[in-house]
Amino acid sequence: SYELTQPPSVSVSPGQTASITCSGDKLGDKYACWYQQKPGQSPVLVIYQDTKRPSGIPERFSGSNSGNTATLTISGTQAMDEADYYCQAWDSSTVIFGGGTKLTVL
Amino acid sequence: EVQLVQSGAEVKKPGESLRISCKGSGYSFTNYWISWVRQMPGKGLEWMGRIDPSDSYTNYSPSFQGHVTISADKSISTAYLQWSSLKASDTAMYYCARHRVGATPFDYWGQGTLVTVSS
Repeated sequence: SYELTQPPSVSVSPGQTASITCSGDKLGDKYACWYQQKPGQSPVLVIYQDTKRPSGIPERFSGSNSGNTATLTISGTQAMDEADYYCQAWDSSTVIFGGGTKLTVL
Repeated sequence: EVQLVQSGAEVKKPGESLRISCKGSGYSFTNYWISWVRQMPGKGLEWMGRIDPSDSYTNYSPSFQGHVTISADKSISTAYLQWSSLKASDTAMYYCARHRVGATPFDYWGQGTLVTVSS
């Protein structure tokens, strides 16, 4: 079965750039999206179709997807960006989530 | 305003049955699929399956096929997730989420329903 692999944790200093990766076999041939989940809250879509931002998502969030890796980049990271981030793709009519990455802003 | 409003928290005993709901509003319910996602305590997101409310066609994750049933009543814009015999391992938060037809992202999520199964 298809799998998406994320690092369990990423740390970043305020104002710096955070990069969270998501790896899967030929992931670049699929669309990847990213969700942010803060404690006690429902997930929120932050990037879809590899690079697009939904309305209301700050410009500091961006995405890319090529080869076997999709990347979520947060430029000028703020304390409010501290959360769990999940990548997601579709494979043969099935939804696949990555295991999630805890972003710590310190 | 698009909203997915889920039913309230449940506390059940092993072996009991349960159905939780997800009511959509602010959009045409039959124009979007509804998926259900499980999140066990302290763990990640797991896709369980989805339904097309227009014709009630369902598609399940192999991990959940046969363990749960997804249904919908388009007349009241509501999707359901049900169990016939709960286990302690079903204790989790369950989210519904909508997405456009096809392999598309989940753009709106419900607030979640916490299911606790304990003797």
